[in-house]
Amino acid sequence: DVQMTQSPSSLSASVGDRVTITCQASQDIRNTLNWYQQKPGKAPKLLIYDASNLETGVPSRFSGSGSGTDFTFTISSLQPEDIATYYCLSGFTFGPGTKVDI
Amino acid sequence: QITLKESGPTLVKPTQTLTLTCTFSGFSLSTSGVGVGWIRQPPGKAPEWLALIYWDADKRFSPSLNNRLSISQDPSKNQVVLTMTNMDPVDTATYYCTHHRWDLLDYWGQGTLVTVSS
Repeated sequence: DVQMTQSPSSLSASVGDRVTITCQASQDIRNTLNWYQQKPGKAPKLLIYDASNLETGVPSRFSGSGSGTDFTFTISSLQPEDIATYYCLSGFTFGPGTKVDI
Repeated sequence: QITLKESGPTLVKPTQTLTLTCTFSGFSLSTSGVGVGWIRQPPGKAPEWLALIYWDADKRFSPSLNNRLSISQDPSKNQVVLTMTNMDPVDTATYYCTHHRWDLLDYWGQGTLVTVSS
């Protein structure tokens, strides 16, 4: 089974900062990688699918890239409402998450 | 608009069987490519996929929990039911119902917290 790792596990940044999170798969998963945002007490929300496609209605400051085993999720300009934990998912395997604070 | 809502007990005792119902709207489970699944998330931890049933009645289960899980659908009621046997305190988690279009998990229910305790 594929294993997913994420880094960092947490980060603190300022409003307006560029934030980057990485996700690494234990084997080649092509572009089958999605990113989710989970705010405290809420269900996760799909932001990026197939590594780089922005889900409808998601702000353009969110983006994703990568293929094979290495993937990157970026928030180009961090906003207060982006405080959340971010998870990558490939197939049925989630990464451990990255908690983003301001 | 796709919505999913989980219902079931909030407290179960160790060794009991958990039965959760997902009631959905805004889509049909008979549409090609559609699936309804279950994911759980222990407090403070990452989500963990449990089970999935597709429009063609194909079923998939987490390998680590396969022998404890079953999933079924009631198309007339727009419901999917998950059962998990032999519950243990480590199974305490928020359980989510999810919508899938082909391989993409795109919608989540609000979740229901299930506590396992005697």
